[in-house]
Order: sequence, then structure tokens, then C-alpha cells
Amino acid sequence: QVQLQESGPGLVKPSETLSLTCTVSGGSVSGGSYYWTWIRQPPGKGLEWIGFIYYSGSTNYNPSLKSRVTTSIDTSKNQFSLKLTSVTSADTAVYYCARASAAVRTRYFDLWGRGTLVTVSS
Amino acid sequence: DIQMTQSPSSLSASVGDRVTITCRASQSIGDYVNWYQQKPGKAPKVLIYGASSLQSGVPSRLSGSGSGTDFTLTISSLQPEDFATYYCQQSYSTPYTFGQGTKLEIK
Repeated sequence: QVQLQESGPGLVKPSETLSLTCTVSGGSVSGGSYYWTWIRQPPGKGLEWIGFIYYSGSTNYNPSLKSRVTTSIDTSKNQFSLKLTSVTSADTAVYYCARASAAVRTRYFDLWGRGTLVTVSS
Repeated sequence: DIQMTQSPSSLSASVGDRVTITCRASQSIGDYVNWYQQKPGKAPKVLIYGASSLQSGVPSRLSGSGSGTDFTLTISSLQPEDFATYYCQQSYSTPYTFGQGTKLEIK
């Protein structure tokens, strides 16, 4: 079955760039059926949608993070990635990659990675 | 942004109880609401999509209803595995937003 797995540094210094990759196994990021998504959850708090990327490279970001977020997709490696610049302690969170159907009527997050905790600290 | 407000924030109940969690959107969003369950240390899992459609594999004791601005998630007879945190989420427009969560605890 399709699985998602986040990877990347668990500790990032303030003002630096957070970089994470999500590897998709058992399925393909190509084909146009899904939006590949990033969601985060600060410790003990709720969920925040960061944004998504389509296989074509088109993106949609949360305006609250848009100036600092970049996502990319590598169909040859079956991966998509997140970069968040100028991080502060407020960016400390569990970061999830997830999948959402490209069809509007079923645009929910049906598959999630396990999540990876990223701590911003010097 | 569309604000999603859940109530209650926490709820204590017993096995076998019927419980209802509500979610109110700050504007009309049709039936573009999804519900998730999250257990400690785990990723959320979708339960209901499109306000009332049960995701494959989810027990039928869970149900969702509503449209416009007011939505509910109901568990007809609580089982031990249902004690978790529940989130609503709107997929009407970006930025997609979640409710603040409802923590369902054992009484």
C-alpha cells in the first residue's frame, strides 16, 4: 500500500532554513490524482495546513507562511519537499506530509506520514 | 481565512455513551467538512469526508451531519478505542483550516 515518510533534521537553529523531504512508496507522485501536502502541529496544539504541490509543480500556500515557504516535487525520486526559511521557535512542530485528492469533492487528507518533530533552538 | 470552531474543547464520557462534537464555520461552506481522529503520538486519521460520508474502514457507529455553517460528529456508542482527539477541517477554500480539537476522555 502507499506510504509516506518524512525525513530531515530534527534540530534547526533560529534564522536558518528548515528542510524536509517526503518519500512516497507503493505509489507515484505523478499522474495528477493528488495534491501533496504539508501540515504541522506545534507540541500540544492543533493542526495547521502549510500548503500543497501538484505533480506539475503548481503550488498553493497558507498566506500566513507564504513568504517563507517553498515546496518542490521530484517525480524521478518519488519525493516532494518543504523549505521554510528564517525559522523561529514558533516553527517548532511535528511536520506531517499528507495526500489529498485533487478532486474537489473529495479533497480530504486520506494518507499521512508518521510525522517528524522539528525543534528550532540554538 | 475560514475559522472552524469546535465545541466542546474537551469531553468526558463512558464506554457505551452517545457523544456529539460540533463544529461551526465562520462562513457557509456547503458540505466541505472533514473529520479526523488523532491519538497521542500518531498522525490524524480521516473518519468522515464531505460532512457525512464515512471513510472506508471506519466503524458505522461514527456519523457526520450538517451543511452550511454547522456540523456534527456523532459516536453512537463509545468504544475504548474512540478515546482520542477529534478535529474538523474545511476543504471549501484555501487556506484549509482545522478546528482547535476536541479531546474525548474516559470518565
